[in-house]
Parts: sequence; structure tokens; C-alpha cells
Amino acid sequence: AQSVTQLGSHVSVSEGALVLLRCNYSSSVPPYLFWYVQYPNQGLQLLLKYTSAATLVKGINGFEAEFKKSETSFHLTKPSAHMSDAAEYFCAVSVSNRDDKIIFGKGTRLHILP
Amino acid sequence: SQTIHQWPATLVQPVGSPLSLECTVEGTSNPNLYWYRQAAGRGLQLLFYSVGIGQISSEVPQNLSASRPQDRQFILSSKKLLLSDSGFYLCAWSGPYGYTFGSGTRLTVV
Repeated sequence: AQSVTQLGSHVSVSEGALVLLRCNYSSSVPPYLFWYVQYPNQGLQLLLKYTSAATLVKGINGFEAEFKKSETSFHLTKPSAHMSDAAEYFCAVSVSNRDDKIIFGKGTRLHILP
Repeated sequence: SQTIHQWPATLVQPVGSPLSLECTVEGTSNPNLYWYRQAAGRGLQLLFYSVGIGQISSEVPQNLSASRPQDRQFILSSKKLLLSDSGFYLCAWSGPYGYTFGSGTRLTVV
């Protein structure tokens, strides 16, 4: 069975500072990994996904994530936070990128301090 | 292009009343469809998924049911709402680039 654990339900960073949102996964088979962003009262939007190609994945809005098999991690980073990055972020795992149910983490709310 | 529509956006219903939330997908055929519920601090919980017309799998036993009367239509229902049914409900379909989510329905049971 697959699962993801997001460390920290709330993370606060100053505008312009590094954003680091942590995600660890558990999977019995090579996983597909995703990061989604949710703005208030909206659906989820795909930021990026890992599908066993390059281990460093670049997404939208300047975000990227690195797949580290040895650490079973898929942390999300952005070099410089912007006020518009304030949102909730979900890490997710699946055994395929289409047909299997995605399992989501509980989410991390990112707060940007002026 | 593929789009997903979900309505209504917000809903306030009394305890014991029925519920019907609708989701439709355009621009694709035979999609896998999903209903998720998001409660505060609990992340996204998969409620139902469907791989075809009339085919529904339930992930969590509860007061809700789902139906898929047409290929691109997915309906979430309840005969009698409970206070614990309050939450943010999201419909999604899965394609080659991952999941695409609807804009959600905020349900408040009072």
C-alpha cells in the first residue's frame, strides 16, 4: 500500500526566503509522486509530478521537487517565496499516473510573512 | 481541451435533508472519476471512484452514495444528511497528466 507523510501542517516563511515543504512516501512499487496546490475555496492544481524520469522535477510558478529514493522523500522547494505562494500544498503518491487512485497527504498550509 | 464542471459552489442544508452534487467532464471519453471530501486538518479523503458507467467503488462506508448514469457524469448523493457530512467536496478525473479537479462544493450541514 502507498502512503505519504507531510511534515508540518503549517509552515511560515518570509517573502523572498527559501520555501521547503517536506514529503516522505511509502510504496511497495516504484511510485509516481505529485505535488498539488490549493488556493482558498478552489480545487487542486497540479504543480509537478515525478514519473521515474529525471529525479529533479521542475513545476509551475518556480517550484521544483527532488525524488530521493534512499530517503523516500519528495520535498518541494522554491528559492524565493512570493506572497502569492500562500496556499495549501498536497503531496500525493500513486502506482500509475492515470489509472490508480491517488493517495494524498494531509496537506501543508504555507504562510508568507511580509 | 478537457474541462470538469462541478456545482453548486456552496450549499447549506439542514440535517436530515437530501443531497445531490453533480460533476461533469468534457473533452474526454470513459474517464476515471473520483469524489473526494476535504475536512479541516484531515486532508483529502477518497469517497468513491468509477471506471465506467454504473461502476462505483466505495472507499469509506458512510452516509453517502455515488452514481454514474452517463459516461461523463458523476453524482454524489445522500438521502439524509448528517452534521458530519459538512466539508469541501471535490470531483476529479484522471488522465495522462495526472488528476484534474473541479472547483469544489462547500457543504455546510446545519
